[in-house]
Amino acid sequence: AQKITQTQPGMFVQEKEAVTLDCTYDTSDPSYGLFWYKQPSSGEMIFLIYQGSYDQQNATEGRYSLNFQKARKSANLVISASQLGDSAMYFCAMRGLTGGGNKLTFGTGTQLKVEL
Amino acid sequence: DGGITQSPKYLFRKEGQNVTLSCEQNLNHDAMYWYRQDPGQGLRLIYYSQIVNDFQKGDIAEGYSVSREKKESFPLTVTSAQKNPTAFYLCASSIRGSGNQPQHFGDGTRLSIL
Repeated sequence: AQKITQTQPGMFVQEKEAVTLDCTYDTSDPSYGLFWYKQPSSGEMIFLIYQGSYDQQNATEGRYSLNFQKARKSANLVISASQLGDSAMYFCAMRGLTGGGNKLTFGTGTQLKVEL
Repeated sequence: DGGITQSPKYLFRKEGQNVTLSCEQNLNHDAMYWYRQDPGQGLRLIYYSQIVNDFQKGDIAEGYSVSREKKESFPLTVTSAQKNPTAFYLCASSIRGSGNQPQHFGDGTRLSIL
């Protein structure tokens, strides 16, 4: 079984500042992938960034980076230079890469509010 | 543009009624998924399909049914057996078997009880 834990129900950040959204996970799968999605108030899920469990480097995608600490089972999302448009719900998700299916297990999300 | 189209955007169900949510994709993806999202919650998997004419139950399949007769389409029926159907429903698709490929999502359908 896989489990994702996001302990921050809500976060505030000043515009242009960096913010870290926490994600810890638990899995018995030796190979897995971690994803972050953004959900604006309109509801669609937007893929942000991916980290594989065997990737040597932490993933980066523009202003998004993933602070992956495998021993601690954490995959925190860092957003640099926050913008007002970053205000949204953010979900961490994982997928086991062995066995069948591409199923994702999601956390409960963190609501981020960017302030002027 | 390639993408996933869900319809309708809003749907109302009467007691005892079955309703069907549409999901169509033109991304040529083999795998498709249905998720349910309740307020303040993450997404929970209802059903998924990795290939045409085959599908598997997810974590909360009771009260729901699906079909996968075409690669492009994966409709979800919310049956009268689903006693608490009010939620936001999201459909997704992905390349089958590629663990590092993300799932792509539609814009969702909001279902409410009349």
